[in-house]
Formats: sequence, C-alpha cells, structure tokens
Amino acid sequence: QVHLEESGPGLVQPSGTLSLTCTVSGVSVRNGGYFWGWIRQPPGKGLEWIGSIYYSGITYYKPSLQSRVTISVDTSKNQVFLNLTSVTAADTAVYYCASPGGTEALDYWGQGTRVTVSS
Amino acid sequence: EVVMTQSPATLSVSPGEGATLSCRASQSVGTNLAWYQQKPGQAPRLLIYGASIRATGIPVRFSGSGSGTEFTLSIDSLQSEDFAVYHCQQYNKWPPLSFGGGTKVDIK
Repeated sequence: QVHLEESGPGLVQPSGTLSLTCTVSGVSVRNGGYFWGWIRQPPGKGLEWIGSIYYSGITYYKPSLQSRVTISVDTSKNQVFLNLTSVTAADTAVYYCASPGGTEALDYWGQGTRVTVSS
Repeated sequence: EVVMTQSPATLSVSPGEGATLSCRASQSVGTNLAWYQQKPGQAPRLLIYGASIRATGIPVRFSGSGSGTEFTLSIDSLQSEDFAVYHCQQYNKWPPLSFGGGTKVDIK
C-alpha cells in the first residue's frame, strides 16, 4: 500500500527558505507510472498545485512560483523534496505531497504538514 | 491555464437529502476531471476520476457526470460523514494542474 508522509519545519522566517520532505513507502519513486506532486492549501482557502516531478527528473512548476520553487527526488531514500525560497506570509499553508496511482488523478495524499511564515 | 469554478460555495442540506455540486472549466477538459472530498484537518480523498468513475471504495451514492466544460457531482441521501468540502480538479491540460475553489456541504 502506498503511503506518503510530509515532514519539515513548522515555522519559517520571512525571506527564508521553506524545505519539506515527502517520504514514500509502498512504491519506488522511480516507478515510471507515477509523478510526485506538491499541493498547498492556505488557511480557509482552496487547493493550489505547486509543481510535480516525474521519475525521469522532469519537473513542472506553477508559473507564478517557478522562480522560487525546486522539486527533487532522492531515489536512494525514496523521498521527494520541496524547496521554496524567499517566502512571505502568503506562503503560509498546509503543504501536501500527492501522487496518482492507477488513475491519472491524485489517488494518494500525505496527511499534510502545516507551515507558518512568521518572524 | 484552465480555470476551474465551483458553485455554490456553500450548500446546506438536511441528512437524507440529495446534493448536486457544479464545476465549470474555462475551456474543455474532456473527461479529465476529478472530485475530492476533504474533511476538517484531513487531506483530500479521491472520489471520482474520469468525470464519472468512482475511485476504489467510494460508495455508490456518489456519482459524477459531465464532459467538456460542465461537470456535476451528485450525492444521494447524504450521510453524516458526507458533510465536508468538495474540490474539483482538471488534469487534461497541464501544467498547471488546477483546482476549483471548493464547495462546502454543511448540515441544514
């Protein structure tokens, strides 16, 4: 069974870098049938796709975040990473990693990790 | 970018009644449309993909329909566990993947 778990600091300083890890179990991150995505949800708001990475290393980012976002994979640890630089209060959100399974939608989600940007 | 719009923002329903939620795409997404259910403090859960295909383990009271730009999620005879926020998402033309703003189904 596929399981995703996000981890990382719950508090980040303004202008700092938000770094999160998604640990994947039950499937290899190198599985060609999957991509690994990051989605966030600001308090009281809807879901916002941040970006995705394929097993090949190809990445796609939301255009408005592209200059600040990097998504990468460590196949030896079966982990997916999110780095978001120059954060502001607008980046305060619950961050989820997610992936499709047998569908092309997002079958699998982590439980989410709350990140607050504040001094 | 495909913009997804959900309506209404909030839907008040009595337990046992049915509910109909709408999702509109700014351009055709075919049937590459998914619906998710999200309860407070939880991650979204996939309900429907391919506009009308129930995901594994989803009760038959949930049904999806539509294609192109207009989509509907119907819930027959709402149970207490169905009161939640519902999100639609298109995966036809990406990046970016895009979600609607959500519809909250609450108890009338």
